[in-house]
Amino acid sequence: AQKVTQAQTEISVVEKEDVTLDCVYETRDTTYYLFWYKQPPSGELVFLIRRNSFDEQNEISGRYSWNFQKSTSSFNFTITASQVVDSAVYFCALRGGNTGNQFYFGTGTSLTVIP
Amino acid sequence: KAGVTQTPRYLIKTRGQQVTLSCSPISGHRSVSWYQQTPGQGLQFLFEYFSETQRNKGNFPGRFSGRQFSNSRSEMNVSTLELGDSALYLCASSFGQGGHNEQFFGPGTRLTVL
Repeated sequence: AQKVTQAQTEISVVEKEDVTLDCVYETRDTTYYLFWYKQPPSGELVFLIRRNSFDEQNEISGRYSWNFQKSTSSFNFTITASQVVDSAVYFCALRGGNTGNQFYFGTGTSLTVIP
Repeated sequence: KAGVTQTPRYLIKTRGQQVTLSCSPISGHRSVSWYQQTPGQGLQFLFEYFSETQRNKGNFPGRFSGRQFSNSRSEMNVSTLELGDSALYLCASSFGQGGHNEQFFGPGTRLTVL
């Protein structure tokens, strides 16, 4: 079975604080892909990152960083020095490596950055 | 490059009616997926089309159907609307079907069933 769990439903932080959004996944596939999407109040999901199961290197993009650990089936997302514009719902997603596999989304974490 | 477009953006229907939503993928993308997003259930996969064929289907009743045209544009139809069908319907396109293809989402169609 494929499953993505985002245990944090809502998080509030004060601007400039760091925040980590947790994502735990379940899959029996040996090849799979993990994604993070951002959904701002406007509603449109924005792609942030894709990671494949063979690449456990952490990735940093500006204030965003991702920590992928196969040993704990986690793919956590950290925002450093948060800003008000980071306020959004963040979704973690999983997709198997075979053609035709659907995306499985977590329930999302609503992040509010307080000025 | 234009993004994924969805029409209409907002729709109000009454129970028992049917509705058709439209999605135009990013140019060159051949895979289109549909999702239903509600506060209680989150993002739920409806179906995926690739080259005019349904390749994958989520756990929704037969009232939900879709199709894809030769230009990759897709429509989804919901017949005999129920109050619980009120949701944001999101369309996403990707270049191919493989798992590595990220999906790019449209702004969604907000359907309200009265």
